Amino acid sequence: AQSVAQPEDQVNVAEGNPLTVKCTYSVSGNPYLFWYVQYPNRGLQFLLKYITGDNLVKGSYGFEAEFNKSQTSFHLKKPSALVSDSALYFCAVRDRLNDYKLSFGAGTTVTVRA
Amino acid sequence: ETGVTQTPRHLVMGMTNKKSLKCEQHLGHNAMYWYKQSAKKPLELMFVYNFKEQTENNSVPSRFSPECPNSSHLFLHLHTLQPEDSALYLCASSQVDVRGIGAYEQYFGPGTRLTVT
Repeated sequence: AQSVAQPEDQVNVAEGNPLTVKCTYSVSGNPYLFWYVQYPNRGLQFLLKYITGDNLVKGSYGFEAEFNKSQTSFHLKKPSALVSDSALYFCAVRDRLNDYKLSFGAGTTVTVRA
Repeated sequence: ETGVTQTPRHLVMGMTNKKSLKCEQHLGHNAMYWYKQSAKKPLELMFVYNFKEQTENNSVPSRFSPECPNSSHLFLHLHTLQPEDSALYLCASSQVDVRGIGAYEQYFGPGTRLTVT
């Protein structure tokens, strides 16, 4: 079985400040990890993924995420948030050997105030 | 969002109606998915089609019926729905390897906002 937890329903930050969206996962084997963003009235857009190798993954729009195997975490980060980053963010996991299904977290709403 | 398109974008239907949602992917992928998105809940995977097999989630009621005539098109046929079926229905596509798995990300359409009255 595999699952994802996003412990924060909402994250509020001021523009220009660092943004972190937390994600922890559970899989029986080694994970593939993904971050998606959803803007109002839109589908999910792929931001970045971790497959193997460097624990720090860089993605679209200046976002990056750090894979931490010991803490089973994959937190999304952006050094300087923009108002346009306000959206719903989803973390997802797949067990790379046992399951083709992608399991999503419940999502975190990010609000960046000007 | 020309990669994965969905029609209609909005649908209001009565509980006795029959309707279909359509999804088309222009990315050359070999797997397609239907998800249900309800507020404050994780996305629920409903159905998966890839070149190997169709997988159905056993918890999906039979009033939802998928159809995948080819690798580019996916339908979700709806009949005698319940008000609790009101949600955003998302279609996605991806590449998968010969085992039906892989590290490939999924690409999503804009969704169909379904309201059952």
